[in-house]
Amino acid sequence: TQLLEQSPQFLSIQEGENLTVYCNSSSVFSSLQWYRQEPGEGPVLLVTVVTGGEVKKLKRLTFQFGDARKDSSLHITAAQPGDTGLYLCAGAKPSYQLTFGKGTKLSVIP
Amino acid sequence: KAGVTQTPRYLIKTRGQQVTLSCSPISGHRSVSWYQQTPGQGLQFLFEYFSETQRNKGNFPGRFSGRQFSNSRSEMNVSTLELGDSALYLCASSFDRTGGAMATEAFFGQGTRLTVV
Repeated sequence: TQLLEQSPQFLSIQEGENLTVYCNSSSVFSSLQWYRQEPGEGPVLLVTVVTGGEVKKLKRLTFQFGDARKDSSLHITAAQPGDTGLYLCAGAKPSYQLTFGKGTKLSVIP
Repeated sequence: KAGVTQTPRYLIKTRGQQVTLSCSPISGHRSVSWYQQTPGQGLQFLFEYFSETQRNKGNFPGRFSGRQFSNSRSEMNVSTLELGDSALYLCASSFDRTGGAMATEAFFGQGTRLTVV
């Protein structure tokens, strides 16, 4: 059973466009993390959101945690080729175990 | 500060063999988790060790096992390899001192690409 559903699975956009990817679950998480993974590398942590309704900004990336702490979104403004990669969300439970979504594979075309 | 180191980076094994993968966490990190990543299933949790004790375990058969040493280094072993075990195996370490939200923030190694033929 996949507890975290990410959409879309694939996204190909032109440089300069905006995009939003989603991470949804029926479970409540104590926190939610976003990672980016490039080919041949391990995932790299981008941000952790903890409070329902929380919004965090990291340069052109905006992360939001749903009020009920079950879902999250990542919005990228003016995408650049360097943003290309697999974006993964991961929900954390008090048991310290992380559950990952399958990811959104983003390609930004110059 | 050195990152998470996984060895080897690549492995080719034959069905029925066994394999041991190694992970050295970031200095000071006591929690080590292992994941299997495949194109179809994504990142799936194998197990997590904290202070030499397995604290969490995913839904994998008993052929998958692990351990953690007193210096927090960890190994995972897969016995009687099957073709379906071909995957990228990722190790992640966490600081896990406060037990709060930051406790689960994972720092990943580059992974070991295992191919079973």
